[in-house]
Amino acid sequence: EDQVTQSPEALRLQEGESSSLNCSYTVSGLRGLFWYRQDPGKGPEFLFTLYSAGEEKEKERLKATLTKKESFLHITAPKPEDSATYLCAYYGGSQGNLIFGKGTKLSVKP
Amino acid sequence: DVKVTQSSRYLVKRTGEKVFLECVQDMDHENMFWYRQDPGLGLRLIYFSYDVKMKEKGDIPEGYSVSREKKERFSLILESASTNQTSMYLCASRTPGQANQPQHFGDGTRLSIL
Repeated sequence: EDQVTQSPEALRLQEGESSSLNCSYTVSGLRGLFWYRQDPGKGPEFLFTLYSAGEEKEKERLKATLTKKESFLHITAPKPEDSATYLCAYYGGSQGNLIFGKGTKLSVKP
Repeated sequence: DVKVTQSSRYLVKRTGEKVFLECVQDMDHENMFWYRQDPGLGLRLIYFSYDVKMKEKGDIPEGYSVSREKKERFSLILESASTNQTSMYLCASRTPGQANQPQHFGDGTRLSIL
């Protein structure tokens, strides 16, 4: 069964303290690995798509990387406004629909 | 930018009522999706539609139906609302014909069934 596992479930950082979020997957023949940001009470906001191992994408303090079995979301010198839940997903399963991880809830304290 | 609009941010209904959740997208996307999101369970796919008049069951279709009469509009229907359908409902759409494109989400409807 295709699965997406995100770790840690929750992460508390001080402002400026860099860290990484992990997303591991089991599907073979990956057709895109997606990262989303979700603020409380809102829908997921698309951040990045990664298609092949070795690929990297950056946006402000965020950098997403992809290997054959996992993806990392690196957060450099985070600010309180980076606090959110970060979701990863890929297309898989019997119907080829998006399979989501349960997310990592990031809190950045000033 | 893609805009997916859900008609209500918050909705309170009573058990047994028929409930309609509406979603409209403005990017001519053929593919549209309905999810529910619950703490500890993540996002779960209820129904999806690849084109007008088409619909497919997702992972948890029981107690729900959908309608896609126009390309830009995808409605989720709770036939007889129950308390276990209290949840956050999210609509999404995707660029047509390309399975590896991201889905874009609306801001959700938080539905409470009393």
